Amino acid sequence: DSGVTQTPKHLITATGQRVTLRCSPRSGDLSVYWYQQSLDQGLQFLIQYYNGEERAKGNILERFSAQQFPDLHSELNLSSLELGDSALYFCASSVDSGGWASGQETQYFGPGTRLLVL
Amino acid sequence: EDQVTQSPEALRLQEGESSSLNCSYTVSGLRGLFWYRQDPGKGPEFLFTLYSAGEEKEKERLKATLTKKESFLHITAPKPEDSATYLCAVQAAETSGSRLTFGEGTQLTVNP
Repeated sequence: DSGVTQTPKHLITATGQRVTLRCSPRSGDLSVYWYQQSLDQGLQFLIQYYNGEERAKGNILERFSAQQFPDLHSELNLSSLELGDSALYFCASSVDSGGWASGQETQYFGPGTRLLVL
Repeated sequence: EDQVTQSPEALRLQEGESSSLNCSYTVSGLRGLFWYRQDPGKGPEFLFTLYSAGEEKEKERLKATLTKKESFLHITAPKPEDSATYLCAVQAAETSGSRLTFGEGTQLTVNP
């Protein structure tokens, strides 16, 4: 158990719909990351938040958005869903307070949310 | 652009048959190289972080090493429970944020 929790575990929805995925980081971790894992593309970075502020963006679609709340939990919102959005969505967290070679940069992953768009 | 290439894509071993997995990388200043293990349908499980060339880390039957261009994950006398996909990822020092760039993974099967 990494200490990172994600809900729901599974989500089945239809094209055009909107869903929200939730993540609670490990206690003490300030950074939250979202990754997408599909069969043909491996693990792809979507976005990072640090202590409530967006820090980095990957190839995240405009239909996707995220936020990190004052209690440090994060939500990933996916809208106008398409068949190709079906994937595993992982949240990870780390301390990441800028230290080098300190272990603070290590990311711990949650169990994931499996999204199926029909 | 940071790139990670893992080989082989799949590896089948007999129990007790030692081998190595390769991770080649190009990155704009390495902050860390990470190894994860992933079981089907589960989240990646952290194994090791390596920071500089020449560094080695061990955990049970696994040993990770790092050079300036690649990393190896050595598996000594593997057991069936070591069957999983092993992922390598790099974190660059010179990009904004702390994203990980992953390789496609090596799917390891250990037969009893």
